[in-house]
Amino acid sequence: RKEVEQDPGPFNVPEGATVAFNCTYSNSASQSFFWYRQDCRKEPKLLMSVYSSGNEDGRFTAQLNRASQYISLLIRDSKLSDSATYLCVVNTNAGKSTFGDGTTLTVKP
Amino acid sequence: DAGVIQSPRHEVTEMGQEVTLRCKPISGHDYLFWYRQTMMRGLELLIYFNNNVPIDDSGMPEDRFSAKMPNASFSTLKIQPSEPRDSAVYFCASSLGVGQYEQYFGPGTRLTVT
Repeated sequence: RKEVEQDPGPFNVPEGATVAFNCTYSNSASQSFFWYRQDCRKEPKLLMSVYSSGNEDGRFTAQLNRASQYISLLIRDSKLSDSATYLCVVNTNAGKSTFGDGTTLTVKP
Repeated sequence: DAGVIQSPRHEVTEMGQEVTLRCKPISGHDYLFWYRQTMMRGLELLIYFNNNVPIDDSGMPEDRFSAKMPNASFSTLKIQPSEPRDSAVYFCASSLGVGQYEQYFGPGTRLTVT
C-alpha cells in the first residue's frame, strides 16, 4: 500500500462544473499537507497548503481530516486553465516529503 | 529572482555511459531535494540535503546513483553506469525549510538511456 494514495482519474468535466479530489495518507506522523499542480511536461508548483481548519483560495477549497487521515481539494466553477494533474503532498517535520501519484483533470468547453 | 536552475534540460545517452545532472537552488534556501518522476512510479524523493549535508538518501535506488553538494549554490546527481530503466524526468527542488515549507522545483532534466 502506498503512503499517499489518490484516485488517478482522469476526471473529465465541463467548464463551470464543481469537482473534488481525495487523498489518503498512512503515516500518522505527517504534519504538513499541500496540493501541488503539475501541467503537462512541466514541474510541480504549489497550489495551496492545507490547514487543519480548512482553507479557501478563490475557487479552491482544501480540507484536512486528521482522524481519518484524509485530504480533499474542491474546485468550483472549473476553467479550461484548471486542466492539469493535481498532486497531494504529505510532509513530516523530519523532512520526509511524500507525493501522491496525482489526479488528472481535463476541463472541456 | 531566478528560480531553481537545472541542466541539461534533455539528455540522451547510451547504456553504460556516465550521466551528470546539475542543479542550482534558489539563493538562501537551505534545503535541496532530488526527485525522479516516471509514469510507473510517480514522483519519488531520491535524496535531500540541508546546508550542503546529505540528510536522507534512502530513496537512492542503488550504488550507481550518487549525489553531491559541494557548496550552497550547486548540486550534482550522477548515474554511473546508466541503464535504460533510469530513463525518467529528474527534478531538483529547494526550500527554506522542511515540514510546512513550500518546495520550489526546477524545470527538470528529461533523461533517456538507450
